[in-house]
Amino acid sequence: DGGITQSPKYLFRKEGQNVTLSCEQNLNHDAMYWYRQDPGQGLRLIYYSQIVNDFQKGDIAEGYSVSREKKESFPLTVTSAQKNPTAFYLCASASRQGGYGYTFGSGTRLTVV
Amino acid sequence: AQKVTQAQTEISVVEKEDVTLDCVYETRDTTYYLFWYKQPPSGELVFLIRRNSFDEQNEISGRYSWNFQKSTSSFNFTITASQVVDSAVYFCALSDFSEGNNRLAFGKGNQVVVIP
Repeated sequence: DGGITQSPKYLFRKEGQNVTLSCEQNLNHDAMYWYRQDPGQGLRLIYYSQIVNDFQKGDIAEGYSVSREKKESFPLTVTSAQKNPTAFYLCASASRQGGYGYTFGSGTRLTVV
Repeated sequence: AQKVTQAQTEISVVEKEDVTLDCVYETRDTTYYLFWYKQPPSGELVFLIRRNSFDEQNEISGRYSWNFQKSTSSFNFTITASQVVDSAVYFCALSDFSEGNNRLAFGKGNQVVVIP
């Protein structure tokens, strides 16, 4: 079955450490996205990529970094520069033509301890 | 910039009651898409419906129905005869194709609690 896989489901990080969240899709989608969800805030776009080796900042990119070396993969690194990293992170993908909606992963809940 | 407003944060209803979720959007695009997603407690967003800006027909799918009114920039969602399984967060979203991008702007979501 085609879909998006995010791992791990739960992640704990010590303050000052970088951590990488994985996102893999086998839908042959060109575009991939990372969203952050906080209670009462909805989903906010962190980074997105429309083709391999290219990506753009979203609305809240500070403290995060991404790479897109393969079409199937779009890992997100939460760096120590992110002041409030505890949140639920959702990855999504879509066809580049747009308008067909996104397919979402099941999310990673990151907690800083 | 695209903007989606979902005014009600949490809505509680007794099972079998109807519940309507309001979604108001802002866009300068003439061609755009609107979406509703459901987020159950498991966390994954589930696609419910997509509507393009040229199709103002209302849609019904089982107990779900959607009312798209371009004149008021609204895309409201009604659950008829609610069930406990409808308890979830529901998000309205609007496409953003500006500058060659393909992005979605989300509202803050409606937490629906169906009381048995």
